[in-house]
Amino acid sequence: DAKTTQPPSMDCAEGRAANLPCNHSTISGNEYVYWYRQIHSQGPQYIIHGLKNNETNEMASLIITEDRKSSTLILPHATLRDTAVYYCIVRGFPLNDYKLSFGAGTTVTVRA
Amino acid sequence: DGGITQSPKYLFRKEGQNVTLSCEQNLNHDAMYWYRQDPGQGLRLIYYSQIVNDFQKGDIAEGYSVSREKKESFPLTVTSAQKNPTAFYLCASSKYSSSGANVLTFGAGSRLTVL
Repeated sequence: DAKTTQPPSMDCAEGRAANLPCNHSTISGNEYVYWYRQIHSQGPQYIIHGLKNNETNEMASLIITEDRKSSTLILPHATLRDTAVYYCIVRGFPLNDYKLSFGAGTTVTVRA
Repeated sequence: DGGITQSPKYLFRKEGQNVTLSCEQNLNHDAMYWYRQDPGQGLRLIYYSQIVNDFQKGDIAEGYSVSREKKESFPLTVTSAQKNPTAFYLCASSKYSSSGANVLTFGAGSRLTVL
C-alpha cells in the first residue's frame, strides 16, 4: 500500500470549512483514497473515498489532484461534533492482501 | 440495522489469564479484521480473515489468536503470551464493491485493562 502523510493536528473555527491535506506521492493507478474519522473512544467511521475524480457526499468533499499525489478532505461547515482524528488511507484493487493499517492521522479540533 | 457488534465493551483481566473478545457482523461481509489501538496512536492490524476458515497474521499477531468458523463471527483471544495487552480493540468488516472500492465498517470497540 502507498504511504500517506498527514499533519498531526489542526484547529478549525466552528462554521468554517475545514481543509485536511493528505500526501500520497507513491500512489499507484489502481489505488483508491479513503478517509475515515474516529471520535474519541469510538470505532472509526467511514467518510468518503475516491479514485480520480472529486467526490462529494452528505458528510464531506474529497478533492484529488490531477497527478493523484495528494488530496484534501473538506468539511464544509465544521461543527463541534466534527472534532476527531481523521485518517487518510490508500488501498488498491484487485488485491489478494487485505492488510491495512492506519497511521496516527490528523487530530482536528473545532473551536467555538 | 446492519452493523458490527463487539462485546464486552469493557473487560478487566488479571495477568496470566486468557480473554476472548467477541465480534459479530450481520452485513454479509466476507472479510473481517482485528485492530489494536494504544493511547494517542493509530490502528495496528492484529489478524484478518478474507473468508470462512481462513485467517492471516497482521503486523502484531504475537500473543493473539483468532478463529473464523462462521462468516458472521471473528472472535479474538488475547493470550497470556501477550506482554502488554491493555489497549482498545477494534473489529471491522468489509466487502469489495463492484467498482473495486473496499470500505471498512467498524464496531464500537472493546477496552481491555490488565490489572
